Amino acid sequence: SQTIHQWPATLVQPVGSPLSLECTVEGTSNPNLYWYRQAAGRGLQLLFYSVGIGQISSEVPQNLSASRPQDRQFILSSKKLLLSDSGFYLCAWSVRGLAGSNEQFFGPGTRLTVL
Amino acid sequence: GNSVTQMEGPVTLSEEAFLTINCTYTATGYPSLFWYVQYPGEGLQLLLKATKADDKGSNKGFEATYRKETTSFHLEKGSVQVSDSAVYFCALLNAGNMLTFGGGTRLMVKP
Repeated sequence: SQTIHQWPATLVQPVGSPLSLECTVEGTSNPNLYWYRQAAGRGLQLLFYSVGIGQISSEVPQNLSASRPQDRQFILSSKKLLLSDSGFYLCAWSVRGLAGSNEQFFGPGTRLTVL
Repeated sequence: GNSVTQMEGPVTLSEEAFLTINCTYTATGYPSLFWYVQYPGEGLQLLLKATKADDKGSNKGFEATYRKETTSFHLEKGSVQVSDSAVYFCALLNAGNMLTFGGGTRLMVKP
């Protein structure tokens, strides 16, 4: 069966510090991968998605970036965190190549607090 | 563009009460529709889905029917439990495999 892991589970970082959040998927190959952010009391915002190694699409301009160095690894980074980067970051995957009914499966999330 | 609108919460109910959380959408084409649930401190879990008009998705006593004529996908449960307390997200999936989420509705069930 497929599983998706995110780490760390929680993170407290000072403003201006770098960030690296990791997401890995097991039990599937060539998945579509996604990063979402959920700000406090708000809905989910799609940040990045990837359809393959080295292929990243950005939905929202910001000081965050994403990379996909391996097929089942998706990394969210920042060189300098802002207070507004605080939130709950969710990684998700879906089966590549299926349209329409293709559901996304979410990881447990990383709660980031920028002080 | 695509959008999903949910009723604002929080929704507070007593145990065994009937639940309805409204969801309407705007989309081009024929999207698939989903309800996700987020329990406190956790990620999102798929609750149910429907892929075409008049389909009914159901799981754990929850139901939602894809109504193309009213562009709605309202979530219902006949008798809620304290363990149903969570945030519920309505979402649509377009042909490009992009999910568009509603703002979420927090449900609080009191014993």
